Amino acid sequence: DAKTTQPTSMDCAEGRAANLPCNHSTISGNEYVYWYRQIHSQGPQYIIHGLKNNETNEMASLIITEDRKSSTLILPHATLRDTAVYYCIVRGSGGGADGLTFGKGTHLIIQP
Amino acid sequence: GAVVSQHPSWVICKSGTSVKIECRSLDFQATTMFWYRQFPKQSLMLMATSNEGSKATYEQGVEKDKFLINHASLTLSTLTVTSAHPEDSSFYICSASGGQVPFGTFGSGTRLTVV
Repeated sequence: DAKTTQPTSMDCAEGRAANLPCNHSTISGNEYVYWYRQIHSQGPQYIIHGLKNNETNEMASLIITEDRKSSTLILPHATLRDTAVYYCIVRGSGGGADGLTFGKGTHLIIQP
Repeated sequence: GAVVSQHPSWVICKSGTSVKIECRSLDFQATTMFWYRQFPKQSLMLMATSNEGSKATYEQGVEKDKFLINHASLTLSTLTVTSAHPEDSSFYICSASGGQVPFGTFGSGTRLTVV
């Protein structure tokens, strides 16, 4: 699976949009971009995933650049409960048959 | 949505004893389950992958005789930490995938402290 690079930490004001970047310049054509988050002392929570098109669900939006070398996770109206470590993971089309390789992620801190 | 239940949420045991952690998929059949370990201030590390009815596949550096994994049914996998030592103290997390849940749902984790 391709390696990802994320900023170590970010701050965002409550109520504002949180934009979390991720670089995955070595991503291959059949690899998806997944985002998970981990709130302190809990298991990771799936947020969203995509291949090449932008995706949106009730939690977030995922913007993938045209060359697919980077992506941005957008939390449109951040709340204090969104404070967590966010992991950007690239994985092959094997999907659920493969374990995930977690990097260090981005510690997002939502400020009141 | 898909729910994975992990039990216990925390456990304290004495050195040399064994501890069993359970991971259950409550509303779907988990053909594949994964076990991860997370040390303080570090990221999750995959320990092993298990498919129902098959022997688990362990990642490099994970002792299969120390971390016994059983995946005897489509809804239950167990991880037994045998002869636990203080250095085994960690946060253990399971994940399950299968059927309509292709990308894995995580349990809430088990905090193991070996004293």
